[in-house]
Amino acid sequence: DTGVSQNPRHKITKRGQNVTFRCDPISEHNRLYWYRQTLGQGPEFLTYFQNEAQLEKSRLLSDRFSAERPKGSFSTLEIQRTEQGDSAMYLCASSESQGTGFNEQYFGPGTRLTVT
Amino acid sequence: DQQVKQNSPSLSVQEGRISILNCDYTNSMFDYFLWYKKYPAEGPTFLISISSIKDKNEDGRFTVFLNKSAKHLSLHIVPSQPGDSAVYFCAASATYKLTFGKGTLLTVNP
Repeated sequence: DTGVSQNPRHKITKRGQNVTFRCDPISEHNRLYWYRQTLGQGPEFLTYFQNEAQLEKSRLLSDRFSAERPKGSFSTLEIQRTEQGDSAMYLCASSESQGTGFNEQYFGPGTRLTVT
Repeated sequence: DQQVKQNSPSLSVQEGRISILNCDYTNSMFDYFLWYKKYPAEGPTFLISISSIKDKNEDGRFTVFLNKSAKHLSLHIVPSQPGDSAVYFCAASATYKLTFGKGTLLTVNP
């Protein structure tokens, strides 16, 4: 078990460009989550997958954002036409879905996006 | 509308003493609470959790207390060590997504 991995770790892009981030969850975890963290704030929920199905999207996720998890394994988060307000740390987490109780989420190291 | 609040931005304690980090919440639908620790340039690391049906959960040096009537939880670290210095986030869940507080920076002085 190597934990949740995210690539790239850092991304600097110019305003208006598209960017794509990748998340590889812990292998036996079928739930995958994306969060965004800005300076001085806690992580904020963006979206959630159960296997390949995207079950919820936050209103923070504008139509410029799209996330996929095509085979229920890794996930990608794409931001089109980036804006300076998109600058943040993008965090991916994964969890099991056993039983009816809550399953702790384990986070990756994040991708830090800077839009210039 | 911040549903999870950590009112102390920072806390400084001496090595070997107890660290107490506090968290308040407003949403009575929250039924699971977690604490995460975060170092700079890393993702949050899960520390300890508690279900709303319990009032205490202990794991080694870490104990979480939940007071449902006050909508308050706390994390106790005993004894505190310099390696505990980090930002601590309180998080709560009503379904599967987590709602986080803004974090408390803990500094443990040798």
